[in-house]
Amino acid sequence: GENVEQHPSTLSVQEGDSAVIKCTYSDSASNYFPWYKQELGKGPQLIIDIRSNVGEKKDQRIAVTLNKTAKHFSLHITETQPEDSAVYFCAAILAGSARQLTFGSGTQLTVLP
Amino acid sequence: GAGVSQSPSNKVTEKGKDVELRCDPISGHTALYWYRQSLGQGLEFLIYFQGNSAPDKSGLPSDRFSAERTGGSVSTLTIQRTQQEDSAVYLCASSLAWDVGELFFGEGSRLTVL
Repeated sequence: GENVEQHPSTLSVQEGDSAVIKCTYSDSASNYFPWYKQELGKGPQLIIDIRSNVGEKKDQRIAVTLNKTAKHFSLHITETQPEDSAVYFCAAILAGSARQLTFGSGTQLTVLP
Repeated sequence: GAGVSQSPSNKVTEKGKDVELRCDPISGHTALYWYRQSLGQGLEFLIYFQGNSAPDKSGLPSDRFSAERTGGSVSTLTIQRTQQEDSAVYLCASSLAWDVGELFFGEGSRLTVL
């Protein structure tokens, strides 16, 4: 089955700086890679996703890059703000398969004012 | 309601007791998932329901865990003879269809087994 590793487990940045979270996956057949943000006491919420037919996707201050050859993908947050502080999870799956999303172990991002 | 609703939000029980956790998915969502999140850990898949198909129970950690989904809507996760290691947040999510798209999560049920 799929195995997703996520690094770092914790990340502190100064407000306004950029943050990068990296994930690697094991199943080369996986083709859908979402990122979820979990605020304290809430359930995770999808913030951006990417499919394997593109290498990069951007949405305002967040972007995701995918390297299929190396089997890794990254979340980039620019101009970080205190409200970006949360736990971020990456995930991977072969879309249309009977398998379930495999999540990484999460990254606690703290944006220091 | 507009989102996935879970109850209770908090449950404290004694070791050996049974507990039931409820999930009310978004109306019209045919897929329903249960995940477990232990303190500071990632999301552990437990069970998945899609329409009238047989559920995928491959993530259930033991036969003390079971789940039902009645009428294709509300789901109940039951843990029998609870153990301290069952303490965690149990998250329910729903989505429009089984072919991946956005999962909408509830706020979870925090279970504490004393």
